[in-house]
Amino acid sequence: GQSLEQPSEVTAVEGAIVQINCTYQTSGFYGLSWYQQHDGGAPTFLSYNGLDGLEETGRFSSFLSRSDSYGYLLLQELQMKDSASYFCAVRDLNQAGTALIFGKGTTLSVSS
Amino acid sequence: DSGVTQTPKHLITATGQRVTLRCSPRSGDLSVYWYQQSLDQGLQFLIQYYNGEERAKGNILERFSAQQFPDLHSELNLSSLELGDSALYFCASSATDYGYTFGSGTRLTVV
Repeated sequence: GQSLEQPSEVTAVEGAIVQINCTYQTSGFYGLSWYQQHDGGAPTFLSYNGLDGLEETGRFSSFLSRSDSYGYLLLQELQMKDSASYFCAVRDLNQAGTALIFGKGTTLSVSS
Repeated sequence: DSGVTQTPKHLITATGQRVTLRCSPRSGDLSVYWYQQSLDQGLQFLIQYYNGEERAKGNILERFSAQQFPDLHSELNLSSLELGDSALYFCASSATDYGYTFGSGTRLTVV
């Protein structure tokens, strides 16, 4: 089957840098996505890595190593508003469609 | 506004009842996905529709069903509701395999 592992909680202070790791097990691979969800809100798409390397979008970057089945989301210059849950996701290859399966999420708490 | 519209936002109903959740995808998106998110749980994939046809099924109970209409809006029907069905139900649409746009969700409370 397919599975994703990510830490359940991470804490940091404003202005710091935090890295959220994600390891995955899949029978095939079509890339790793990252989503942010504020409490009770809708998940929003942050980043996608289809190939190895770093993708940068403003304060957020995402990295992928397919050989290690590993990726991470890097958040820089943390702000209070970054307090949220972060999910990594991969395509569900057990299905004929294009559904994503999500990790259980990492809750990031940013303090002042 | 993400462009994906879900109604209603909140729903409170009794055990054994049936409810219908509605989703209008973002303009131009042919795929609609339904997810369930229980308290402290991740997003569990339920079902996908593509241009009116069922494309994939995930952990969807037999008491649940869905359909996508010619105008591409989708409905998720939940019947014989149990307390454990209380959750946030999200609809998402996409034009790519990885970048979903989620609606704001329907919070279902079964009492």
